[in-house]
Amino acid sequence: EVQLVESGGGLVQPGGSLRLSCAASGFTFSNFWMTWVRQAPGKGLEWVANIKEDGSEKKYVDSVKGRFTTSRDNAEKTLYLQMNSLRAEDTAVYYCAVGWGYFEHWGQGTLVTVSS
Amino acid sequence: DIQMTQSPSSLSASVGDRVTITCRASQGISNYLAWYQQEPGRVPKLLIFLASTLQSGVPSRFSGSGSGTDFTLTISSLQPEDVATYYCQSYNIALRGTFGQGTKVEI
Repeated sequence: EVQLVESGGGLVQPGGSLRLSCAASGFTFSNFWMTWVRQAPGKGLEWVANIKEDGSEKKYVDSVKGRFTTSRDNAEKTLYLQMNSLRAEDTAVYYCAVGWGYFEHWGQGTLVTVSS
Repeated sequence: DIQMTQSPSSLSASVGDRVTITCRASQGISNYLAWYQQEPGRVPKLLIFLASTLQSGVPSRFSGSGSGTDFTLTISSLQPEDVATYYCQSYNIALRGTFGQGTKVEI
């Protein structure tokens, strides 16, 4: 059974940093692109970033470019999202999902709140 | 980037009604389109991929169609458990993914 468990969310002040993790199990992690999707409170889904199987390619939505970095540790089967210079508009539940295209498997999400 | 526009943003229908949600891409995306259902407080659930392929386990009352720029999600007979927000999503390995803004379905 595919399992994705996000962690690392919490309350952070504007301008601060957080690192999210997504621990994967139940599939061969190193064979799949991985994607981050977020959802602001009461709002829709927003594609944030993805990373190729070996980490050699990454893409980001324009609003996070230069502030967020995604990475992965295939030995530890873990996906990361380093978020710097956080803004109020980054407040959202952050989900990790398997693949680069459509997403059958999602984590439960971790809430990031950016507020003073 | 590709923009995805869903309509309507919300709708109210009766049990047994046929419901149609449309999604328009700002440029042609072939059939690289997925549909998701998200119940309140829940994780999104994949319904359809490649515009018309039903995900395993999804009831057959859900169907998708379209290609290029115009796509449709149809619920042939609305059930109480279908109350949710529905999202379309374009995908392309060379580009970033994009979700539509969502359509809230109520009874």
